[in-house]
Amino acid sequence: GQQLNQSPQSMFIQEGEDVSMNCTSSSIFNTWLWYKQEPGEGPVLLIALYKAGELTSNGRLTAQFGITRKDSFLNISASIPSDVGIYFCAGPFGNEKLTFGTGTRLTIIP
Amino acid sequence: DAMVIQNPRYQVTQFGKPVTLSCSQTLNHNVMYWYQQKSSQAPKLLFHYYDKDFNNEADTPDNFQSRRPNTSFCFLDIRSPGLGDAAMYLCATSRDLGSGYTFGSGTRLTVV
Repeated sequence: GQQLNQSPQSMFIQEGEDVSMNCTSSSIFNTWLWYKQEPGEGPVLLIALYKAGELTSNGRLTAQFGITRKDSFLNISASIPSDVGIYFCAGPFGNEKLTFGTGTRLTIIP
Repeated sequence: DAMVIQNPRYQVTQFGKPVTLSCSQTLNHNVMYWYQQKSSQAPKLLFHYYDKDFNNEADTPDNFQSRRPNTSFCFLDIRSPGLGDAAMYLCATSRDLGSGYTFGSGTRLTVV
């Protein structure tokens, strides 16, 4: 089946720093989704990307759909304590069921 | 407003004792999914219903069953929970297989 690998697996950063994480796939995706999951909660959709090369922002978050359609990255600028959580990439859409990446756990050091 | 509601949020069950988790939705979505998420892992799809049609993932153990009596409700039944079934169970819905997912807050299952 399709595999989505995320890196890094975990990040420890200081408040105010920028964050960058990415997701790669063994096959081409038609859509990339980025979710955030806080402890004890379900995943919440942050950004959806529908076209190769697309760059989309949601507040301090920016995500891009890679040109090859096999990767995507998520950036968080000026991190704050509430950014703590696990970030998952997911895909694909188009009559396919959602598959999640391995996740990046973000910890903010005050 | 909660749109996908899972009850209970926390469930403790005894080893081998059947347990049922519930999910309800106010979105009138056609598809309802059940995911299992173990600690520090990605959610793993167990099965989904497209309307009344049940679709099981190939590697979902027979111990896991599901029921969808109507559009709004979907249940996850674990017939004989083992210690390895302790996990967060997430319900999600989507209008169609190709449209956006909405997740519930999950039920954390503990097996003692």
